[in-house]
Amino acid sequence: GNSVTQMEGPVTLSEEAFLTINCTYTATGYPSLFWYVQYPGEGLQLLLKATKADDKGSNKGFEATYRKETTSFHLEKGSVQVSDSAVYFCALSVPGTNDYKLSFGAGTTVTVRA
Amino acid sequence: DTGVSQDPRHKITKRGQNVTFRCDPISEHNRLYWYRQTLGQGPEFLTYFQNEAQLEKSRLLSDRFSAERPKGSFSTLEIQRTEQGDSAMYLCASSLGDTAEQYFGPGTRLTVT
Repeated sequence: GNSVTQMEGPVTLSEEAFLTINCTYTATGYPSLFWYVQYPGEGLQLLLKATKADDKGSNKGFEATYRKETTSFHLEKGSVQVSDSAVYFCALSVPGTNDYKLSFGAGTTVTVRA
Repeated sequence: DTGVSQDPRHKITKRGQNVTFRCDPISEHNRLYWYRQTLGQGPEFLTYFQNEAQLEKSRLLSDRFSAERPKGSFSTLEIQRTEQGDSAMYLCASSLGDTAEQYFGPGTRLTVT
């Protein structure tokens, strides 16, 4: 089956620190990979995505590279801000099944301190 | 605001009661998904619609759960004879065409006492 494993939290950082959240996946087929973010009191928002090997998704200073050889899609940001405090979810979808449903990891809570 | 909306945002009910949630997707989005999220976990797929047709249901969706999407616009999710284990955040998402890029609503938080 399809599954996503991501780094357990919580993660607490100081402003301007480097953030990495590890994500690995298991999938039947060739998945598309996503990072969603959930800010306090808000719904899930798509942060970035990648649909094929070696693609790099990027948005708001965050980046993640689709690594087929290691089945990974780690999220990174070089200098975090307090406003990046949120829960981050790695997710995948396997095209070709025609449903495009998402399978999510458990989420990683990130807190950035001023 | 043209995003996905859900109503109500919070629902507290007693065990054994029936509840119904509504989701209004982004206009013209043909696919609509329901997910359930429990504390400390990621969302889990429940069911999805393409237009008005319900095409897949997860085994998480017991017989007490039913979902509809009449006319391919808004959707409702009903839970009959609620149990404490049904307490969760129920998320709705919509998408357009053949893509996994889904837009999520704010969710309905259900508490069963």
